[in-house]
Amino acid sequence: AQSVTQPDIHITVSEGASLELRCNYSYGATPYLFWYVQSPGQGLQLLLKYFSGDTLVQGIKGFEAEFKRSQSSFNLRKPSVHWSDAAEYFCAVVGGTYKYIFGTGTRLKVLA
Amino acid sequence: EADIYQTPRYLVIGTGKKITLECSQTMGHDKMYWYQQDPGMELHLIHYSYGVNSTEKGDLSSESTVSRIRTEHFPLTLESARPSHTSQYLCASSPLLGEAAGNTIYFGEGSWLTVV
Repeated sequence: AQSVTQPDIHITVSEGASLELRCNYSYGATPYLFWYVQSPGQGLQLLLKYFSGDTLVQGIKGFEAEFKRSQSSFNLRKPSVHWSDAAEYFCAVVGGTYKYIFGTGTRLKVLA
Repeated sequence: EADIYQTPRYLVIGTGKKITLECSQTMGHDKMYWYQQDPGMELHLIHYSYGVNSTEKGDLSSESTVSRIRTEHFPLTLESARPSHTSQYLCASSPLLGEAAGNTIYFGEGSWLTVV
């Protein structure tokens, strides 16, 4: 069965510091992978997605993610965090059934 | 930017009232979804649809019902609201299939429902 794990419920970083949010998935083949961001009181906005090809994908707002098949991971990174990046981040996987599975989310807090 | 709209954004109603949350998308997507999300918590799929006249229950049991009479419209109804229904409801849509579209799921901004 497909599953997504986001091990970190909360992460706090200082503004300007680098960021890495972890995402591990369970699926027999190569899934479609997504990262979404949700600001307070808002819906989810797509940051980036991976389907095939280059395992390092670039997204909006300066985010990138790297697909590592050997580790079943799709971690989200940003070299320098801005205060406006404070939000909740969701990793999602779509497998052969075209069913979307979302992780439980990681809440990012940015210190000034 | 995704073209999917939800109304109302915020609603406070009394127990026992009937409410309908509206969701419309202008992208021609076949598949539509309703997720329920409590503040700071994960998303739970409560309903989805593959197209007109198709509705399916999601992973989380819900007392709400949905209908899909038109491709672009996927309203969610609660016949008799209770305080336990207080939550955020997120509507979403995606192409049914299609590598080119990448099966990306697009979300509306959510409807915050409070039942008092």
